[in-house]
Amino acid sequence: KQEVTQIPAALSVPEGENLVLNCSFTDSAIYNLQWFRQDPGKGLTSLLLIQSSQREQTSGRLNASLDKSSGRSTLYIAASQPGDSATYLCAVHSGAGSYQLTFGKGTKLSVIP
Amino acid sequence: NAGVMQNPRHLVRRRGQEARLRCSPMKGHSHVYWYRQLPEEGLKFMVYLQKENIIDESGMPKERFSAEFPKEGPSILRIQQVVRGDSAAYFCASSPSDTRALHFGNGTRLTVT
Repeated sequence: KQEVTQIPAALSVPEGENLVLNCSFTDSAIYNLQWFRQDPGKGLTSLLLIQSSQREQTSGRLNASLDKSSGRSTLYIAASQPGDSATYLCAVHSGAGSYQLTFGKGTKLSVIP
Repeated sequence: NAGVMQNPRHLVRRRGQEARLRCSPMKGHSHVYWYRQLPEEGLKFMVYLQKENIIDESGMPKERFSAEFPKEGPSILRIQQVVRGDSAAYFCASSPSDTRALHFGNGTRLTVT
């Protein structure tokens, strides 16, 4: 059974810092991995999708990496801004025959002006 | 292109009543997923549907919960005889296929009093 863990559970940084959020998963036989952002009381916004054959994806100040063999992904946020404050969720699609995303509990990020 | 639309945004029901949650997928998306987010918990998969078919309902409680995605109209998640433990945020997601990125709605927050 796939399990996804995100560390840390909460993170507070001053504005302008670069930061890394971590995600680990127990079963390396994945199809893809997706990072989401969730604002309080809102839905999920897809940030980046990494296919199992890829090592990383970039979008603006965000860079996500995937190391399937070690069961890890990181989300790197450059030059953080107060508007980046949200909960970041990592979700794994475990592949053929499984249609489910398995989510971590998220990292709650606060960027202090 | 409108995103995934869920309604209502907030729903209050008394114990024993029925709750009906609606989801209209993004245009061109024929795959719909329902997830539940309990307080302080990660999102958990409930059910995956395509038009007129339930593909995977392995995450759905065996009793009181049902889902449909008719040929015409939105997908419906129905909870009969609600109990306090059903209080949660229910998210719908859609995708153009079962291997592409999921796009989530803003959720329906169900409160059972």
